[in-house]
Amino acid sequence: GNSVTQMEGPVTLSEEAFLTINCTYTATGYPSLFWYVQYPGEGLQLLLKATKADDKGSNKGFEATYRKETTSFHLEKGSVQVSDSAVYFCALADPYNQGGKLIFGQGTELSVKP
Amino acid sequence: EPEVTQTPSHQVTQMGQEVILRCVPISNHLYFYWYRQILGQKVEFLVSFYNNEISEKSEIFDDQFSVERPDGSNFTLKIRSTKLEDSAMYFCASTLRDKGLGYTFGSGTRLTVV
Repeated sequence: GNSVTQMEGPVTLSEEAFLTINCTYTATGYPSLFWYVQYPGEGLQLLLKATKADDKGSNKGFEATYRKETTSFHLEKGSVQVSDSAVYFCALADPYNQGGKLIFGQGTELSVKP
Repeated sequence: EPEVTQTPSHQVTQMGQEVILRCVPISNHLYFYWYRQILGQKVEFLVSFYNNEISEKSEIFDDQFSVERPDGSNFTLKIRSTKLEDSAMYFCASTLRDKGLGYTFGSGTRLTVV
């Protein structure tokens, strides 16, 4: 079945450091891929998405490229800020699945220190 | 920007009691979902709902759970007889189309079963 695996957290970085959070997936067909962010005490917000191979999703300085050959969708940011502290979830949607449910990874907590 | 609204934000209930979690999806959306997140764990799909019927449900969504869209605006999740392990954050989401794109999540209801 479809699944998503993320690197384990917590990840602790200093402000302005480079961020990578690894995400790999297993899926039949060609899923759409997403990164969601959950700030403390809040719900899930879509950060970025990519719907086909080699697409790059980007938002708020974050980027992720859909790599079909490595079944990966790693999240990167060149210079993190304290305000980026949150839990980040990688997710996929199987376009052939009726109803479009999302399958999430286990989440990676990011803590950015000043 | 349109929001998905969930009430209450926090509910405490005794084991064995029935609870109803309420959601108001975005008005022109057609697909509705419930997800849950046990503290510190991944976000898990529970059920999807379209055209006034369940389109898919997970193994978690057993006979103790039911969903309803009683009046064209609300979307409810009922747990008939709560168990301790039902304690979790429950997220409602809606989208205009399937394929996993364009999800909007509510901010969640934290259910605590004591």
